Amino acid sequence: EAQVTQNPRYLITVTGKKLTVTCSQNMNHEYMSWYRQDPGLGLRQIYYSMNVEVTDKGDVPEGYKVSRKEKRNFPLILESPSPNQTSLYFCASSSRTVSNQPQHFGDGTRLSIL
Amino acid sequence: SQQGEEDPQALSIQEGENATMNCSYKTSINNLQWYRQNSGRGLVHLILIRSNEREKHSGRLRVTLDTSKKSSSLLITASRAADTASYFCATDARGYGGATNKLIFGTGTLLAVQP
Repeated sequence: EAQVTQNPRYLITVTGKKLTVTCSQNMNHEYMSWYRQDPGLGLRQIYYSMNVEVTDKGDVPEGYKVSRKEKRNFPLILESPSPNQTSLYFCASSSRTVSNQPQHFGDGTRLSIL
Repeated sequence: SQQGEEDPQALSIQEGENATMNCSYKTSINNLQWYRQNSGRGLVHLILIRSNEREKHSGRLRVTLDTSKKSSSLLITASRAADTASYFCATDARGYGGATNKLIFGTGTLLAVQP
């Protein structure tokens, strides 16, 4: 089954404790992206990747890191999480450019930073 | 600022009625997409309409695009309780420095279909 898998689905942690949210897709998609969703603000893009070893900042990259060492994986790293990063996070993928291709989303990761 | 703004923010209708949601955007686009999000789940792609198209249908969905007004509408006909979800429009970022590798989402319309 074609899917985007995020882990963990839920995480409660404390300020400053490094964490990684994993994202994996099995559709051989070139494009992958991370979004955060906050009430009243919709989805905002954090980082995206056009292909292996190619990453670029989205609209709200501060406090986040990503890597794309393999085509299928695109982890999101919070080196020193802070409470303002409490949010619902989504990973998405698509073939080639996102402009004319549907995005496939994971089921989300709800992060709470205390 | 948000490229897409949906209207209304929330909509409550009875099963069997039609639901119309609108999306306005600010800059030129290549394509516009609509997504659905069920509570606590990821977004699911519904339909894509290109800038040179005016209308597109998919099952009970009808999407229109008016590039002169920079607006789109999503019509769900004969709604069902299972259509209860949030609906988002998303535009590519043509006009934001010419990039087309980003999708910008609106804030969504929350649709509640009462059985």
